Amino acid sequence: QQQVKQSPQSLIVQKGGISIINCAYENTAFDYFPWYQQFPGKGPALLIAIRPDVSEKKEGRFTISFNKSAKQFSLHIMDSQPGDSATYFCSASNSNYQLIWGAGTKLIIKP
Amino acid sequence: DSGVTQTPKHLITATGQRVTLRCSPRSGDLSVYWYQQSLDQGLQFLIQYYNGEERAKGNILERFSAQQFPDLHSELNLSSLELGDSALYFCASSVEGAYGNTIYFGEGSWLTVV
Repeated sequence: QQQVKQSPQSLIVQKGGISIINCAYENTAFDYFPWYQQFPGKGPALLIAIRPDVSEKKEGRFTISFNKSAKQFSLHIMDSQPGDSATYFCSASNSNYQLIWGAGTKLIIKP
Repeated sequence: DSGVTQTPKHLITATGQRVTLRCSPRSGDLSVYWYQQSLDQGLQFLIQYYNGEERAKGNILERFSAQQFPDLHSELNLSSLELGDSALYFCASSVEGAYGNTIYFGEGSWLTVV
């Protein structure tokens, strides 16, 4: 019940396309869902986060869509650029839990 | 630059040895986390300290231990090292707990056990 399942494991998208990474959770007590971005040789860094009181949050080309009833949330990267090539981690928590991490998605944007 | 400093950046050691990884959190951050990331693997949470006290434990082996000092820096001790301990070890920090707060990661310490 503590898992966050992330898919796909890897993703190749053409430049200018839309990258979509999906995550699903089981614990309905989770109410904080951040996404982290990790470039090779670097530590992860917070990209964007959402709470379940909204169904969507957008920051620039990055959008989180949240479906509370399905217990799913996803990251959409619009107009994907080669500089977006990185590993993306979804995660979830609430005040009683540590951050539970998805397994990560390696995204490659082809020029 | 996240403000989290880890040393050493790279370390090569033999099986059976012991190493210490050091972490200085961002100024003002009370929580320190340690994570392990093996090649092409996800992030494995090891342990969290908050203001000097252990707050949460993850998948940390008994051969590993950590502590957070009064000046809030932290050390991760890895002993009786095995080949499988070769990984990237991240330290991270946040103002308080992980819930609702940004976790800032250092650049990691690459450990190679030969």
